[in-house]
Amino acid sequence: QQQVKQSPQSLIVQKGGISIINCAYENTAFDYFPWYQQFPGKGPALLIAIRPDVSEKKEGRFTISFNKSAKQFSLHIMDSQPGDSATYFCAASNQGAQKLVFGQGTRLTINP
Amino acid sequence: ETGVTQSPTHLIKTRGQQVTLRCSSQSGHNTVSWYQQALGQGPQFIFQYYREEENGRGNFPPRFSGLQFPNYSSELNVNALELDDSALYLCASREGGFGANVLTFGAGSRLTVL
Repeated sequence: QQQVKQSPQSLIVQKGGISIINCAYENTAFDYFPWYQQFPGKGPALLIAIRPDVSEKKEGRFTISFNKSAKQFSLHIMDSQPGDSATYFCAASNQGAQKLVFGQGTRLTINP
Repeated sequence: ETGVTQSPTHLIKTRGQQVTLRCSSQSGHNTVSWYQQALGQGPQFIFQYYREEENGRGNFPPRFSGLQFPNYSSELNVNALELDDSALYLCASREGGFGANVLTFGAGSRLTVL
């Protein structure tokens, strides 16, 4: 019940396209859903996060869509750029930024 | 702000040995947590320290232990190393308090157990 399932494992998108990564969770006590971006040789960095009282949150080109009834949330990257090429992790917690449960990650490649 | 720094960046140990990994928290952060990231996987929560006390632990055996010092720096100790302990170990810090949700990760210490 603590799992967060992430898909796809890898994704290739053309420059300017929309990248979409999906996550599903089981624990209904989760109330904090962040997305992290990780470049090779670096630690994960917080990209954007959402709480379940809203269905969408947008920051620049990055949008989280949240479906509480389906227990799913997704990351949309608009106008994807080669600099967005990285591994993306969704995560969830029922204690804010404590004891995060991470998905397995999606390796995103943006082709120029 | 200097961010979260970890040392060493890479190390190689043999099965049965012990290892100590170190972490300096970001300035102003009094809560530190450790995660294990196996190759191709997401990070897994090991434990968290707040004001030098462990206040949360994931599904890891007791041979994984930690310390937090008065200056909020931290250590992760792993005894009796096993091959499956090979991973990237990430330290993360944040301000105390439930509402502080920005978790800052270091670049990690990559441990290889032979």
